Amino acid sequence: AQSVSQHNHHVILSEAASLELGCNYSYGGTVNLFWYVQYPGQHLQLLLKYFSGDPLVKGIKGFEAEFIKSKFSFNLRKPSVQWSDTAEYFCAVTSGGYNKLIFGAGTRLAVHP
Amino acid sequence: DTEVTQTPKHLVMGMTNKKSLKCEQHMGHRAMYWYKQKAKKPPELMFVYSYEKLSINESVPSRFSPECPNSSLLNLHLHALQPEDSALYLCASSRPTGGERGYTFGSGTRLTVV
Repeated sequence: AQSVSQHNHHVILSEAASLELGCNYSYGGTVNLFWYVQYPGQHLQLLLKYFSGDPLVKGIKGFEAEFIKSKFSFNLRKPSVQWSDTAEYFCAVTSGGYNKLIFGAGTRLAVHP
Repeated sequence: DTEVTQTPKHLVMGMTNKKSLKCEQHMGHRAMYWYKQKAKKPPELMFVYSYEKLSINESVPSRFSPECPNSSLLNLHLHALQPEDSALYLCASSRPTGGERGYTFGSGTRLTVV
């Protein structure tokens, strides 16, 4: 069965610091990869997704992620975080045409002014 | 309209009550989902409907009963729940082949079982 691992459970940064959140998945076939963000008290919002093509994916709010197939990774990056980026970040994956979206455990990001 | 609407936003119910959660989307998506999210945990898949037919049941207890009356609506009927069922219940929708344009989530129903 497919699984998703997020290694950083809690990250604390100062404003303007760079961010990289790790995500690894277990499925070896064709995958669709997603990053979602959940601001405090709000619903899940899609940051970005990867299906095929350019492995460097740009999303909303200045986020980007790189798909590295050989490492089964899809890490999320942002060059300069803001206080408003404080939220929980979830990596998620579906495999092939199977519409079963599985989430990682999440990373709680706190950005201090 | 690019939203998934869930009602009610909050629900408190006793262990002997019967209640229903509702979810509606008008994006033409033919796959709809129920997820359960406990505090500080990721969403966990409960059910998947594809073309109004139940395609995945993740071994959910029978006290949760899903229903998809048409392509825009998804219900979750609740009966004889336990306090540990208290959680945020999320509905989502997508295109049926796995969501090339992603999955759209509703804001959820926060359920408290007393």
